[in-house]
Amino acid sequence: KAGVTQTPRYLIKTRGQQVTLSCSPISGHRSVSWYQQTPGQGLQFLFEYFSETQRNKGNFPGRFSGRQFSNSRSEMNVSTLELGDSALYLCASTPGGPPPDTQYFGPGTRLTVL
Amino acid sequence: GIQVEQSPPDLILQEGANSTLRCNFSDSVNNLQWFHQNPWGQLINLFYIPSGTKQNGRLSATTVATERYSLLYISSSQTTDSGVYFCAVGRGWNTDKLIFGTGTRLQVFP
Repeated sequence: KAGVTQTPRYLIKTRGQQVTLSCSPISGHRSVSWYQQTPGQGLQFLFEYFSETQRNKGNFPGRFSGRQFSNSRSEMNVSTLELGDSALYLCASTPGGPPPDTQYFGPGTRLTVL
Repeated sequence: GIQVEQSPPDLILQEGANSTLRCNFSDSVNNLQWFHQNPWGQLINLFYIPSGTKQNGRLSATTVATERYSLLYISSSQTTDSGVYFCAVGRGWNTDKLIFGTGTRLQVFP
């Protein structure tokens, strides 16, 4: 089975722009979660989608949004980019449960905001 | 929210040495996973272990849920074991949300 894929792998944007990141889960997995990793804050949960519905949300401003499509692929969008949004964005997939299950992570998208 | 503490923060070993990484969490959980992040940023799942003991080759893990800690053992370490090891926990039956610890950075020298 193919693993979790994320596109693009690298992205450079300027302040004020918006960006869309994509995540394709493992075939058959219905849950996709997104995480932000920065040197200062570590790995933080952004949101989780299951069957096209947001199932859980972390403590991020409304500039961060996401969605999931009927084929379980997910996108996250960050509007009005700030310097502090520079980070590695990781997505993970699981079959969806319950119960909770092993999470498989993609390679990440490294976003740099100038 | 749940707090996850990992120790030690840094570990330097010579090839062949054994090590134990610890993860303490502040509340009951029904989801606990150990990950290895390689130098390229890829997170690899090592164990899904909300309780009990598991082994996979040179790695093994034990979670004592009643005492709120988990241990990851690495035996006969190799240079390829270098990287950051994360413990992550979750609560709730119908969610895969994970709260990550701050990690243990392991460096293995030949």
